Amino acid sequence: AQTVTQSQPEMSVQEAETVTLSCTYDTSESDYYLFWYKQPPSRQMILVIRQEAYKQQNATENRFSVNFQKAAKSFSLKISDSQLGDAAMYFCAYSFGSNYKLTFGKGTLLTVNP
Amino acid sequence: NAGVMQNPRHLVRRRGQEARLRCSPMKGHSHVYWYRQLPEEGLKFMVYLQKENIIDESGMPKERFSAEFPKEGPSILRIQQVVRGDSAAYFCASSIQNTEAFFGQGTRLTVV
Repeated sequence: AQTVTQSQPEMSVQEAETVTLSCTYDTSESDYYLFWYKQPPSRQMILVIRQEAYKQQNATENRFSVNFQKAAKSFSLKISDSQLGDAAMYFCAYSFGSNYKLTFGKGTLLTVNP
Repeated sequence: NAGVMQNPRHLVRRRGQEARLRCSPMKGHSHVYWYRQLPEEGLKFMVYLQKENIIDESGMPKERFSAEFPKEGPSILRIQQVVRGDSAAYFCASSIQNTEAFFGQGTRLTVV
């Protein structure tokens, strides 16, 4: 069975600085997808970034980028120039196949200090 | 284009009552997923439906829980004879096949 592990229950960062959230996963599949979702206090799940396993290039979305290490089964999220609005729960997630059935980690609560 | 709509946002039920949670997918989306989020936990997959079909219900508890996605109307997650352990946030997501799934804002169920 696939599992997703986030080893940092909480992280904090100063505004304008950079923070990296860790995620590891376990799978026997070779073709799969990895995601980072943000859940602010409103509870809305917001897709931050997505990575296809067959792509060697790390995905980037503005201030958000990932470090995808397929052999190590590691998928960390880097947030640059942190903003107060980045404060939220961040979930790493995995899926494979032709549907969007997601396996989530337990999340990392990110606090941004002014 | 309205997003995924879930209602109600908050639902309080007494033990033994039935809970019905509704999810209207985004326009044109024929795939619906239900997830449950217990306190301090990530989301856990429950069921995956397409119009009039249950595709994968491997995450659904064997008893008291059922889901449907009729040809017309919203998807419904039904919990019969609720117990305190059913208290959680329930999320619905919808997608067109093989594309990004969009989440609703969830229904927080409290069983008293």
